[in-house]
Amino acid sequence: KNEVEQSPQNLTAQEGEFITINCSYSVGISALHWLQQHPGGGIVSLFMLSSGKKKHGRLIATINIQEKHSSLHITASHPRDSAVYICAVSKLSGGSQGNLIFGKGTKLSVKP
Amino acid sequence: NAGVTQTPKFRILKIGQSMTLQCTQDMNHNYMYWYRQDPGMGLKLIYYSVGAGITDKGEVPNGYNVSRSTTEDFPLRLELAAPSQTSVYFCASSLDSSLNTEAFFGQGTRLTVV
Repeated sequence: KNEVEQSPQNLTAQEGEFITINCSYSVGISALHWLQQHPGGGIVSLFMLSSGKKKHGRLIATINIQEKHSSLHITASHPRDSAVYICAVSKLSGGSQGNLIFGKGTKLSVKP
Repeated sequence: NAGVTQTPKFRILKIGQSMTLQCTQDMNHNYMYWYRQDPGMGLKLIYYSVGAGITDKGEVPNGYNVSRSTTEDFPLRLELAAPSQTSVYFCASSLDSSLNTEAFFGQGTRLTVV
């Protein structure tokens, strides 16, 4: 079983819809990252959080450490939000590596 | 600041050829990483560096080598390209261990080995 699981794998929405992407993990972490990857493009960090909730514009990320679960919400979705959203965790491994463990990503397509 | 810059963006290699993927960052970050991204899979760590002169293997290091002679540069070397190395490669950096700091990624290098 993967240490970081995302759902759904694929998501199609109509413009304006409220979107939720989920991430569950099975290891101890010090932080969780949400990343965005546009087709043919690089990867951009959206959020890094270790507790509670963060908001940037129409994007909201929450984390529940006890339940080992995080959600990324997009309000009033727009076609330009179409991308792959990746959840990654900073695993508490005891080493200095600081390795990120990545989920497989959720491909979001927002139709006009 | 340019952030993390990778070159080239695309490359086709023949089996057995060698090449170097370049990565440079201008944020004075100590930590740098190379990942590969295969279809339907999460990114996997190839090599990482915690500072100039220090490198270490990640999860999938076979077939690759790295060096870190300066803080800014972290090239990834493929000595004998194999079809299994067809992938998209991402370089990333962070000020400190990614345990607590944001990671910055390059634009990626799409490599095809034929």
